[in-house]
Amino acid sequence: QSALTQPASVSGSPGQSITISCTGTSSDIGGSNYVSWYQQHPGKAPRLIIYDVINRPSGVSNRFSGSKSGNTASLTISGLQAEDEADYYCCSYTRKSPLYVFGTGTKVTV
Amino acid sequence: EVQLVESGGGLVQPGGSLRLSCAASGFTFSEYYMDWVRQASGKGLEWVGRIRNEVNSYSTEYATSVEGRFTISRDDSKKSLYLQMNSLKTEDTAVYYCSRGGFSYGFGLGDHWGQGTLVTVSS
Repeated sequence: QSALTQPASVSGSPGQSITISCTGTSSDIGGSNYVSWYQQHPGKAPRLIIYDVINRPSGVSNRFSGSKSGNTASLTISGLQAEDEADYYCCSYTRKSPLYVFGTGTKVTV
Repeated sequence: EVQLVESGGGLVQPGGSLRLSCAASGFTFSEYYMDWVRQASGKGLEWVGRIRNEVNSYSTEYATSVEGRFTISRDDSKKSLYLQMNSLKTEDTAVYYCSRGGFSYGFGLGDHWGQGTLVTVSS
């Protein structure tokens, strides 16, 4: 099972919106309602920001939103802020081995 | 407050063994599935394996890259998760995170994470 494909980097200015894509296959994203996104600042543990494609955990800003179409999931960050500068990873449940596959990661620069 | 604290990382020679621990607090540990996820320096995240709860027979699943070498276990009475790593390879060098899973009908991964513990496999 290969890693999901994400752009290596995405940049935007404060206040702008950016979208990060995450492309997989029908064996993972295309066949799963369990796609999640994680934010990771340098030297820190990942933090869950989206689960089940579109849901935000309690405490996560509504500037983060998720969606999915076919084999591609997307994370949109609106009203970009300096604190959003981090690495972002998508992840999909696969119903087989491995149980979860992560994306290659995207570095967001503000 | 949910807390996960890993320990047990360190330097080990290729072919050696190491046991990681993860101490949980702030939630009913026995109800949740638990996962190990690793990250090599400068690289992405890789799911290592999962152990389910007692209701689901403490069943385990592993990534192909560690199957047969790594074993995940838990002690609900101690609110602790373990990762026994045998026959270690240089490519196992990474920060190992424990994370809480099993939310969202059992399919959720990582709503809380530990700070990670570094495992270095080198001669």
